[in-house]
Amino acid sequence: SQQGEEDPQALSIQEGENATMNCSYKTSINNLQWYRQNSGRGLVHLILIRSNEREKHSGRLRVTLDTSKKSSSLLITASRAADTASYFCATDKEDDYKLSFGAGTTVTVRA
Amino acid sequence: NAGVTQTPKFQVLKTGQSMTLQCAQDMNHNSMYWYRQDPGMGLRLIYYSASEGTTDKGEVPNGYNVSRLNKREFSLRLESAAPSQTSVYFCASSDSLYNEQFFGPGTRLTVL
Repeated sequence: SQQGEEDPQALSIQEGENATMNCSYKTSINNLQWYRQNSGRGLVHLILIRSNEREKHSGRLRVTLDTSKKSSSLLITASRAADTASYFCATDKEDDYKLSFGAGTTVTVRA
Repeated sequence: NAGVTQTPKFQVLKTGQSMTLQCAQDMNHNSMYWYRQDPGMGLRLIYYSASEGTTDKGEVPNGYNVSRLNKREFSLRLESAAPSQTSVYFCASSDSLYNEQFFGPGTRLTVL
């Protein structure tokens, strides 16, 4: 069963705009990770945030984690055509380190 | 540094045939994983190997077997393929179970 669920399922934005997607999960976690998948390719790790962290930045990416709401958000600022991809959150569980992936958010950046 | 490599890239099987998917990593990682990805769904863990010499079942292990041949290589075997095993299979590795995973390019398997 999927631990994490992304919202929205799909997102279409203009180049230069920001894209925000959310992930909700069900049980307490050790870590939450975000991955990107370009069409027909493998997943690429973007960022890992630990349960005792609230916010993390990496380049144009900003991830927040609210453990009280069991939710996380991924913000991509100043989007580019190359950001067109599917984005997945992955969580482990506090007593089990195996990752569980959501179904993903498909982001389309229009030129 | 090739990262994680998978062979083959594509495969078509008939129901009942067997095959082995190969995976190798050159990052000296301890942990390796096999996932399947079906349309509209996230990845589901089939089997994983926390370290050389150990393997454990994931969420959807039925119909599959694995072998951790050495630290670099982790293979996935379908003994008697079924149409329900039509999927894209990804291998991944990480230096520990708690850290980021590095994925291979995937194998697209169709079972007729």
